[in-house]
Amino acid sequence: GENVEQHPSTLSVQEGDSAVIKCTYSDSASNYFPWYKQELGKRPQLIIDIRSNVGEKKDQRIAVTLNKTAKHFSLHITETQPEDSAVYFCAAGDAGKSTFGDGTTLTVKP
Amino acid sequence: KAGVTQTPRYLIKTRGQQVTLSCSPISGHRSVSWYQQTPGQGLQFLFEYFSETQRNKGNFPGRFSGRQFSNSRSEMNVSTLELGDSALYLCASSLEWWDTEQYFGPGTRLTVT
Repeated sequence: GENVEQHPSTLSVQEGDSAVIKCTYSDSASNYFPWYKQELGKRPQLIIDIRSNVGEKKDQRIAVTLNKTAKHFSLHITETQPEDSAVYFCAAGDAGKSTFGDGTTLTVKP
Repeated sequence: KAGVTQTPRYLIKTRGQQVTLSCSPISGHRSVSWYQQTPGQGLQFLFEYFSETQRNKGNFPGRFSGRQFSNSRSEMNVSTLELGDSALYLCASSLEWWDTEQYFGPGTRLTVT
């Protein structure tokens, strides 16, 4: 089955700095790579996703890159703000089934 | 449009009991997936239902089961509860089985004592 590794497990940055979270996956059949943000006590919210036929996708301060050959994808957050503080999960999979990474706790210090 | 809803939101059960959790997907969504979230294990896939049929199943024991009704609402059942079953159970819905974009419900917090 699919195995997703996510690094780092914790990340602390100063407000305004950039944050990068990286994930690797094992199943070359995976073709969908979403990122979720989960604030304390709340449900995971989809923030951005990328499909296997796209190398990069950007949405305002958030971008995701995918390297299918190396089987890794990354989340980039620029100009971080305190409200970006949360747990971020990557996932890899296909229709109906996603395998999640263990999460990265991002803390943005004002 | 209303989001994914789950009931109950909190549940306390004793070891050996069984429990049933309910999930109502976003209106028009026909695929429902269930996940178990624990601090140590992250988000673990339980199973996915579409059109009243289980399409995918994760690596959980047979004590975990589920079903989906004709209105796409889904239930999951855990029998013979163990302390390790204490977790947040999340369901997520998507439009069709091939639709990869999932929307999560608020979860049911199950505590087994």
